[in-house]
Amino acid sequence: DAKTTQPPSMDCAEGRAANLPCNHSTISGNEYVYWYRQIHSQGPQYIIHGLKNNETNEMASLIITEDRKSSTLILPHATLRDTAVYYCIVRTGGGADGLTFGKGTHLIIQP
Amino acid sequence: GAVVSQHPSWVICKSGTSVKIECRSLDFQATTMFWYRQFPKQSLMLMATSNEGSKATYEQGVEKDKFLINHASLTLSTLTVTSAHPEDSSFYICSGYNNYGYTFGSGTRLTVV
Repeated sequence: DAKTTQPPSMDCAEGRAANLPCNHSTISGNEYVYWYRQIHSQGPQYIIHGLKNNETNEMASLIITEDRKSSTLILPHATLRDTAVYYCIVRTGGGADGLTFGKGTHLIIQP
Repeated sequence: GAVVSQHPSWVICKSGTSVKIECRSLDFQATTMFWYRQFPKQSLMLMATSNEGSKATYEQGVEKDKFLINHASLTLSTLTVTSAHPEDSSFYICSGYNNYGYTFGSGTRLTVV
C-alpha cells in the first residue's frame, strides 16, 4: 500500500471548515484513499473514501487532486466533538488485509 | 450501520495472569477479524488477522503463543493475552471486515500490574 504523509497537528476554530491535507505521491491506479478518525480512547471510525472523483457524505467531503497525489478531507462546520486524530490511508479496494495506520493528524477544534 | 461490540472496555490484571478480550459483530458477519495494539501516543499496529474457522496469521514480532486468537464463528473473535506482563499494557482494538468494509470495536485498555 502507498505511503501517506500528514501534518502532525492542526487547529481549527469551532464552526469553521477544517481542511486536512494528505500527500500520497506513490499512489497506484487501483488504490483508494480512505479517511478514518480516532477520538481519544476509542476505536477508529470510518469517515469517507474515494478513488479519483470528489466524494461527499453526511460527515465530510473528500477532494482528490487530478493527479491523485494528494487529497484533502473537509469537515464543513467543525464542532468540539470533531477533535480527534485523523488518518489518511491508501489501499486497494478489494481484499481483506489489515489497515496500515500512519501517525495521522491531531485536529484540535478550539471553542 | 455495522457495529462491533468489544468487551471489556478496560481491565487491570496481575502480572502472570491471562486476560481474554471478546469482540462480537452484532449485525453483520465478519469474514475476517483483525486485532490491533496501540501504545500511548502511538498509532495502531496490526497484530494479527483471523478468518473464521482457521488459524490466525500474526504480524512479524507478535508472539502467537502469547496472544491467542480464536475466531470460532462469523460473529465472535477472542484475543487472550497469556502470562501478561507490564509491557503488555496497551490499548487493544479489534476490527471486523465484510464486503462493506471495516468496523472497529471501542477498544480495551489493558493494565498489567
